[in-house]
This record gives sequence, C-alpha cells and structure tokens, in this order.
Amino acid sequence: NAGVTQTPKFRILKIGQSMTLQCTQDMNHNYMYWYRQDPGMGLKLIYYSVGAGITDKGEVPNGYNVSRSTTEDFPLRLELAAPSQTSVYFCASTSTLRGLDEQFFGPGTRLTVL
Amino acid sequence: GESVGLHLPTLSVQEGDNSIINCAYSNSASDYFIWYKQESGKGPQFIIDIRSNMDKRQGQRVTVLLNKTVKHLSLQIAATQPGDSAVYFCAENSSSYKLIFGSGTRLLVRP
Repeated sequence: NAGVTQTPKFRILKIGQSMTLQCTQDMNHNYMYWYRQDPGMGLKLIYYSVGAGITDKGEVPNGYNVSRSTTEDFPLRLELAAPSQTSVYFCASTSTLRGLDEQFFGPGTRLTVL
Repeated sequence: GESVGLHLPTLSVQEGDNSIINCAYSNSASDYFIWYKQESGKGPQFIIDIRSNMDKRQGQRVTVLLNKTVKHLSLQIAATQPGDSAVYFCAENSSSYKLIFGSGTRLLVRP
C-alpha cells in the first residue's frame, strides 16, 4: 500500500488564485481529514469526511471546500487564496470512527500565498 | 475554550538520557489522548495513546502518564537516541472526530 499520498508537495499562489490539493488513500479507509499546520504550531482540522458523499466542517473551514466522491479521494479546494492560508496542509485517514490511533498522515503540501 | 498546550517548546537531552515531554490540557471532557512524533518535512506519526480510564501506558521505550486531577499528560522516552530528535505533539479527543493538538515540543538529542 502507498498509504496516504498528497500532491503537490509545494506550491506558490498569488492572492486570489485558486487551487486544489489532492489527497488519495489506498487503504479503503472511511474517514479522511484535512489539517493545516502553521509554523511552530500544532495541527488544526479544516474538514473531515466519514465516507463517500459525506463531509463536515472542522475547526477552521473558512476559505476552503472539500468533496468526497469516492472512498479513495478527498480533495481540498481553495477558491480565493489569501496570505493567511500560507501553511502546510496534511491529509489523514483512518479506518474507524474512534480509530484515531490508526490515523495515517500524508507527507504534506507546503503552500505559500504571496 | 478547549486548549492543549506544552510547557517547554524545546528540550535538549544527552544521548542515552531519559526525556520527559509535558503537556497540559483544559477540557475535562477529553477521554482519549495521543502523542505524535513529527520529523522535519514529514507528517505526524502516532507514538502512543492513552484513554482516560488509565493513568499509565507503556510502549517500546516510551511511557505516557495521565494525571486527570491536574489535566496533565507526559511522554517519557527512555535512553533517548539521535533518531528521537523531532517535534512531539500531544493531542486530545473529546468528540468522535476532532483531535485538538498542542503547539509542540522540539526534542534535540546531543551526541
């Protein structure tokens, strides 16, 4: 298994541009998450999904959108990039609702908005 | 509001010594806690977890202690090795999906 993969690894955006951060997992996990990590800080939950077709907001959803059309993919969309969205973004997945000890993280996408 | 924080942002230890990383949490309803290790340029990696019905749990070279009275969590690493150098995060869970992360402690292992 490749686990959780994310693309791109790095990206620089101009203010107002849009982009999609891709996340794919091949472990057939139902639960998927998007986090952002600001420098020197812990992770904050942006959105999560409990299965295909179902998504919900986390702590910091403003400025982002997600979709979950398949079990494998959970893309994160930024419509109008702002400097405050400069961060490292991590996607994660887990097999069960309370299986947080089995939460696998992707390698991250480092996004800079100028 | 809910918060998870760490007392020491950077901890420097001699190789072979034991390390203790501390974490305070404020939500008394939290019933599940996890320690993560994050190496530079990588995503967090699960180390050990503990549920609120326990006060101690041991893994390989790591021990987590939970003191619910003072809402304190600690991670002990025995015989610290250079490969243990990383940022360590505690996280608490008080609902079905949400993990609240602390700001992290950087562990530096001196040779």
